[in-house]
Amino acid sequence: GAGVSQSPSNKVTEKGKDVELRCDPISGHTALYWYRQSLGQGLEFLIYFQGNSAPDKSGLPSDRFSAERTGGSVSTLTIQRTQQEDSAVYLCASSFSSGKNTQYFGPGTRLTVL
Amino acid sequence: RKEVEQDPGPFNVPEGATVAFNCTYSNSASQSFFWYRQDCRKEPKLLMSVYSSGNEDGRFTAQLNRASQYISLLIRDSKLSDSATYLCVVTATSGTYKYIFGTGTRLKVLA
Repeated sequence: GAGVSQSPSNKVTEKGKDVELRCDPISGHTALYWYRQSLGQGLEFLIYFQGNSAPDKSGLPSDRFSAERTGGSVSTLTIQRTQQEDSAVYLCASSFSSGKNTQYFGPGTRLTVL
Repeated sequence: RKEVEQDPGPFNVPEGATVAFNCTYSNSASQSFFWYRQDCRKEPKLLMSVYSSGNEDGRFTAQLNRASQYISLLIRDSKLSDSATYLCVVTATSGTYKYIFGTGTRLKVLA
C-alpha cells in the first residue's frame, strides 16, 4: 500500500519568507508526527497529532512554527519568517495510534533557507 | 547528558564480519526500544523492535539491558547492503508516543 508522502521534496527559500510543508499519512493511521533532522544531528520531535485530541506542540522550537491537521488526515507544517537555522530535513511519520505502534516515516522535505 | 547516546562511528568492517553497536539511554522509565536504519538522504525505516528477552531476526540480534540502560544490535555476516546509519530509538515513558532518537551509528561494510 501507499506509504507516508510529503511535499515538496525540496524547498529553497529566502530568509524571512514563510513556507508550508505537507504530509499525507498512511490511510487509517490516526497518529501523525513531525520531526526535524539537521545535518549530523538526531531526529528532533516537533509536534504530534492523535485523532481529534489537542496536538502536543511541546517540541516546536519557536512560535514561528505551527502545524495543523485537517480532517484527521493531511497535515501542514508552517514556518513563518524563516531563518537560516531552520534549514533541515523535515520528516513526517504516522502510526495506527500512539503508544508502542511503529512509526512509519515519509521521505522528508529538505528545506534550505538562504 | 543526551537522553540517547550512540557512538557515531563510522564502523568500517569487511564483508562477512560481525559488528555490534551499543546505545545508552538516560530515562530508566523508558519502556519501548527500537533500532531504525537510515540510508543516506533517505527516511528512517524500522529494523527491529527490542524486547526484554532479546530478539533475533535473521542476521540481526537485539538485546536490552535495563539494569545498565543500554541496548545493543549485533549484525552477523555483514553484507555490503548493510552499510547505513543505525538509529537507536527509545520512547520517553511507558506507552508514550514520543520517540527519542540517538544521532546514529554509521556502518560501512567494505568489499
